Amino acid sequence: DADVTQTPRNRITKTGKRIMLECSQTKGHDRMYWYRQDPGLGLRLIYYSFDVKDINKGEISDGYSVSRQAQAKFSLSLESAIPNQTALYFCATSVGQAQETQYFGPGTRLLVL
Amino acid sequence: AQSVTQPDIHITVSEGASLELRCNYSYGATPYLFWYVQSPGQGLQLLLKYFSGDTLVQGIKGFEAEFKRSQSSFNLRKPSVHWSDAAEYFCAVGYFSTASKLTFGTGTRLQVTL
Repeated sequence: DADVTQTPRNRITKTGKRIMLECSQTKGHDRMYWYRQDPGLGLRLIYYSFDVKDINKGEISDGYSVSRQAQAKFSLSLESAIPNQTALYFCATSVGQAQETQYFGPGTRLLVL
Repeated sequence: AQSVTQPDIHITVSEGASLELRCNYSYGATPYLFWYVQSPGQGLQLLLKYFSGDTLVQGIKGFEAEFKRSQSSFNLRKPSVHWSDAAEYFCAVGYFSTASKLTFGTGTRLQVTL
């Protein structure tokens, strides 16, 4: 089984709809992250969490919210989806130090019509 | 603010040829540097990383990278490319002062011709 899982893997939604992307990990890591990937822009950090009670905005948090339900679960919500949120979304985890590897999930491809 | 530049958007090499992907970072402190690979339809996988010690680091799949502080670079190399290396490659930088927040480059897409 994969260490970092994301659901759904693909999603099509309409403008204005609320959508939640979920991430679960079995690695026992404290730190979790949400990124979005757009062609030509690389990965950009949306939100990150260093533990259940610590959630921080990344560089592009507008229009998104997150919930850290447990050490192993970190959800990303789009309260009112818009077409420019169409992207590939990745969840990642890491142990706790800046030099530690981040482990990525397989991604969720989101299309907002 | 930390930033990473990958100047080559797309590179094509022949199978068996050598490869070098460029990465430059900006910021004054000692960086933590990473190379990740993304195969089509997959998440990102770590190839190698540098955070201290020997400036030439070895990674998986025969890749290596050299940290050159004077040039603010961390170029990825492979002496002989295989068709299965076709993928997108991302350089990323982090710093102790920014905890484990990484800044990624825009990626280099590698195509391998047979």
